[in-house]
Amino acid sequence: QQPVQSPQAVILREGEDAVINCSSSKALYSVHWYRQKHGEAPVFLMILLKGGEQKGHDKISASFNEKKQQSSLYLTASQLSYSGTYFCGSQGGSEKLVFGKGTKLTVNP
Amino acid sequence: SQTIHQWPATLVQPVGSPLSLECTVEGTSNPNLYWYRQAAGRGLQLLFYSVGIGQISSEVPQNLSASRPQDRQFILSSKKLLLSDSGFYLCAWSVQTTGELFFGEGSRLTVL
Repeated sequence: QQPVQSPQAVILREGEDAVINCSSSKALYSVHWYRQKHGEAPVFLMILLKGGEQKGHDKISASFNEKKQQSSLYLTASQLSYSGTYFCGSQGGSEKLVFGKGTKLTVNP
Repeated sequence: SQTIHQWPATLVQPVGSPLSLECTVEGTSNPNLYWYRQAAGRGLQLLFYSVGIGQISSEVPQNLSASRPQDRQFILSSKKLLLSDSGFYLCAWSVQTTGELFFGEGSRLTVL
């Protein structure tokens, strides 16, 4: 079942922060985060494998609340290079990964 | 290191024509393999996934099919393309244990 992402789109100025949320109606085994630039393939950012886990990648971090079946991606002091569409993917214990519809992030100078 | 190759990169096909997209992975063995489709401005739709040779799971009933004739080869096919088959097709592989996905460069299909 497809996870739900919010917001659908967000526009920032360089240096501002953003939060992207991902929630599922099913119990989650793991949550993945990917970023896709226009016309390119998605690129892996991070995976969270257990409840309460938080990971960071440069100024991008994520948390995973297993009980609430949701994850949040935090972008701090955004840079122009952060622009793109962010996808969360959820795994409910099977092998397949199902993605949300994506959140389009635009960072302006 | 592991690499994934997908081809062709772009193709324009008439309605009713056949389709074959190929994907190969190097540098790993027994990967999970996936085909995703992304319509213009849309999310990633899982079409097929495979955990081993000859083992294909279909997620969306349609006129597409997939095959895995070798451990690191994944093929997406259609006998007769529809207009709605247009999109950006992505092959991906994952390590069995972590599930992190590595995507190919993608194949952009336009059906006219």
